[in-house]
Amino acid sequence: DQQVKQNSPSLSVQEGRISILNCDYTNSMFDYFLWYKKYPAEGPTFLISISSIKDKNEDGRFTVFLNKSAKHLSLHIVPSQPGDSAVYFCAASLGNTPLVFGKGTRLSVIA
Amino acid sequence: GAGVSQSPSNKVTEKGKDVELRCDPISGHTALYWYRQSLGQGLEFLIYFQGNSAPDKSGLPSDRFSAERTGGSVSTLTIQRTQQEDSAVYLCASSFGLGNTGELFFGEGSRLTVL
Repeated sequence: DQQVKQNSPSLSVQEGRISILNCDYTNSMFDYFLWYKKYPAEGPTFLISISSIKDKNEDGRFTVFLNKSAKHLSLHIVPSQPGDSAVYFCAASLGNTPLVFGKGTRLSVIA
Repeated sequence: GAGVSQSPSNKVTEKGKDVELRCDPISGHTALYWYRQSLGQGLEFLIYFQGNSAPDKSGLPSDRFSAERTGGSVSTLTIQRTQQEDSAVYLCASSFGLGNTGELFFGEGSRLTVL
C-alpha cells in the first residue's frame, strides 16, 4: 500500500505560469517532507523540504505547502521556466527510517 | 569525486545470470541507501546501511538480492539469477546520517536490463 501518492503522472504548464504539483500521504506520523527533482539519466536531486511543524516553506521560485489535516502537500513553482521540466518526486520521512517516495510527476514547461 | 558514483551505468544481462552493481558514496557520509525505479514506478527502497549497524534489508524484494558495504564506504548490490522483472534503474544514495532532515545525495544510477 502506497504511503506517499502522487496522483498526477504528468503536468504541462506554460512558461511564466504557476506549476502546482500535489502529493498525498497516509501516515500521519511522517515528520518531514521533501521534494526531489530528476532529469533524464541523472539521479534525483534535493529541491526543498518542510518540517511537519510548519505549513509553508519558500525558497526562491519554489514554495512547499503542507496541510496536515488533509495529509496533503504541494509544490508551487512560479514563474515556471523550461528548465524546470523534469520529474518531481515527493518524499516523506518518519524519524530515522528511510525516505518513502511517491511515483513522481513529470512536469513539462512549454515555452 | 565529489558526488555519489555508481557503476556500471548500463548493464544488459541474460535471464539467470548474476549481476553486481557498485556504489561509491560521498566521502564522510555514514548512511548509504539503495533504491530502484522500475518503469512507471516511483523510487522503491531496497536496503540501507548506517555506520557499523546491521543493515535494514526490509525492502529487498527476494532472497536473490543482497548487498554489502565494505569498510563503511563502497557498497555492492548483488542480484542472483536475474529475472526480467529485475529490470530497473538502481539508484544509490548517501547522507551524513539518518534523521529527519532526510536529504539524500543520489548517484546517476545503474540501468539494468534483463533479457
